[in-house]
Amino acid sequence: AQSVTQPDIHITVSEGASLELRCNYSYGATPYLFWYVQSPGQGLQLLLKYFSGDTLVQGIKGFEAEFKRSQSSFNLRKPSVHWSDAAEYFCAVGADTGKLIFGQGTTLQVKP
Amino acid sequence: SQTIHQWPATLVQPVGSPLSLECTVEGTSNPNLYWYRQAAGRGLQLLFYSVGIGQISSEVPQNLSASRPQDRQFILSSKKLLLSDSGFYLCAWKASGYEQYFGPGTRLTVT
Repeated sequence: AQSVTQPDIHITVSEGASLELRCNYSYGATPYLFWYVQSPGQGLQLLLKYFSGDTLVQGIKGFEAEFKRSQSSFNLRKPSVHWSDAAEYFCAVGADTGKLIFGQGTTLQVKP
Repeated sequence: SQTIHQWPATLVQPVGSPLSLECTVEGTSNPNLYWYRQAAGRGLQLLFYSVGIGQISSEVPQNLSASRPQDRQFILSSKKLLLSDSGFYLCAWKASGYEQYFGPGTRLTVT
C-alpha cells in the first residue's frame, strides 16, 4: 500500500536561511507527488507537483522539490526562507484509487 | 477559474445537536469531491469522497454522513454530534488526475 512519511514534525529555521523538508514515499510505480502548504486556520494550497519528466520541479512562492527514485524521496527546498513561510507543509502521493495519501505534516517555524 | 466555498467558517455546537456543513464548487463540472478532517491541527483524515451526484464512499465508520444532491454541492452531516467530532473540516475537489484543490475549511467545536 502507498504511504508517505515526513520524518520531521517540527522544524525551525532563521529567516534568510535555506530550508529542506523531507518526504519519503512508498509506491511501486512512478508516483504522482505533491507538496501542499497550510497557514493557520486556512485550507491547503498546492505548492508544486511531480508527474514525470524533469526530476526538479518548480513551484509557487520560490519553492522547488526534487524527485529521487533511488531514495523514494521528494524533498521540498527553498534557498531563503521568509517569515511568511511559517506554516504546515504536507507531502502527498497519488494512490491507485485516485485519492491522495498525505503525510502527517511538518510545522515550519521561522525565527527573525 | 474554479472556486471552492465552505460554510460556515466556524461553528460551535453542543453535544447531541445536528450538523450540516456545506461545500460548493464553481467553474468546473462533474468534479470528484472530498471531505477531510484535521484533529488537533495535524494530519488529514479522508472521511468521504464522491465521484458523482448521489455517489458517496465512506472511508471511516463514524458518526458522520455525506450527501451530494447536486453536481457541485457536497454536504457533511450528523444527526447527533460527539465531542470527538470537533476539528477542522476541509472540502476538496479534483477534475482529472490526482491534484486536489481545497476550500478554506470549517472550524467545528463541539461543547
